[in-house]
Amino acid sequence: SQTIHQWPATLVQPVGSPLSLECTVEGTSNPNLYWYRQAAGRGLQLLFYSIGIDQISSEVPQNLSASRPQDRQFILSSKKLLLSDSGFYLCAWGQGAWGTEAFFGQGTRLTVV
Amino acid sequence: AQSVAQPEDQVNVAEGNPLTVKCTYSVSGNPYLFWYVQYPNRGLQFLLKYITGDNLVKGSYGFEAEFNKSQTSFHLKKPSALVSDSALYVCAVRDRGQAGTALIFGKGTTLSVSS
Repeated sequence: SQTIHQWPATLVQPVGSPLSLECTVEGTSNPNLYWYRQAAGRGLQLLFYSIGIDQISSEVPQNLSASRPQDRQFILSSKKLLLSDSGFYLCAWGQGAWGTEAFFGQGTRLTVV
Repeated sequence: AQSVAQPEDQVNVAEGNPLTVKCTYSVSGNPYLFWYVQYPNRGLQFLLKYITGDNLVKGSYGFEAEFNKSQTSFHLKKPSALVSDSALYVCAVRDRGQAGTALIFGKGTTLSVSS
């Protein structure tokens, strides 16, 4: 069966520090991968999605970036965090068929102080 | 552009009563529609989806949803609510005519079931 791992679960970082959140998927190949951010009262905002290695689309311009160095690994990064980057970050994967649902990791609670 | 609206931030029901969580959508073509549930500080769990066929879709934990194309709605329902159903419910849509797109989510509705 397929599983998705996302870490860390919680993170407190100072303003201006770098960020690296990692997500890996097991039990499937060539998944579509997604990073979402969930802010209170604003729902899930799609940040990045990837249909293959080094194929990444950015939905919202900001100081975050994403990379997919391996088929089942998706990394969310920032060189310098802002206070507004605080939130709950969710990684998800799905199959290529568009009628299929996405499966989510457990999320990372990021607090920028 | 695709969008999803959940008009109620919170829904309160008593245990044993029926519940409805509303969702409306906007896509340029025909939609794929999804419902997820989220417990505090956890990821989203898939409940059910509408792809094609019967407008009434049954999912996990006794939930069901009805697709209404004329009203562009996909309301989530359950005949008898449980206290353990209390959580955030999030509706999502994907335009089946647009390959390469991700799910677009609504803001979510907090369901509170009282005993």
